[in-house]
Amino acid sequence: AQSVTQPDIHITVSEGASLELRCNYSYGATPYLFWYVQSPGQGLQLLLKYFSGDTLVQGIKGFEAEFKRSQSSFNLRKPSVHWSDAAEYFCAAGAGSYQLTFGKGTKLSVIP
Amino acid sequence: DSGVTQTPKHLITATGQRVTLRCSPRSGDLSVYWYQQSLDQGLQFLIQYYNGEERAKGNILERFSAQQFPDLHSELNLSSLELGDSALYFCASSVAWAGEYEQYFGPGTRLTVT
Repeated sequence: AQSVTQPDIHITVSEGASLELRCNYSYGATPYLFWYVQSPGQGLQLLLKYFSGDTLVQGIKGFEAEFKRSQSSFNLRKPSVHWSDAAEYFCAAGAGSYQLTFGKGTKLSVIP
Repeated sequence: DSGVTQTPKHLITATGQRVTLRCSPRSGDLSVYWYQQSLDQGLQFLIQYYNGEERAKGNILERFSAQQFPDLHSELNLSSLELGDSALYFCASSVAWAGEYEQYFGPGTRLTVT
């Protein structure tokens, strides 16, 4: 069965520190991959996406993600976290069809 | 602002009742998706419509139904409500039906069943 795993439920980092959120997928073929962010009381906002080509993709708000086929991973990174980045982050995958499979999410807390 | 609108923002109702959630997609988007977000299940895909036709079904209960109208807005109908139906319901839209088109999410409707 198709699945997306985000191993970390909650991560706390200090403002200015670097960030890496992990995402692993299990699909029959390489899926389309997405990272979304959800602020409290808000809907999901697309940060970035990977379809094919360059395995390092840049997104909005200074985020980037790297696709590693050998590890079935699509980890999200940011070199310097801002307090406004505190939110919940969701990794999602789709494979040729319409339905997205979401991970359970990682909640990010930022210490001033 | 994603351009996807959902009404109402909050809904409180009693068990056994029926409610309708409404979604207007981004201008130009033909596909509408409905998702349920709960603490225990996470984000679950419910159903998708493309240009008025049902395209895919996910984990949608038989008590739930949806439709997409000629003006492309969509409604999700939830009936015989149970306490466990309390959740955030999101609508998303995309320009087409295939998976490579990113989905834009609305702000959600928070349903509380008492």
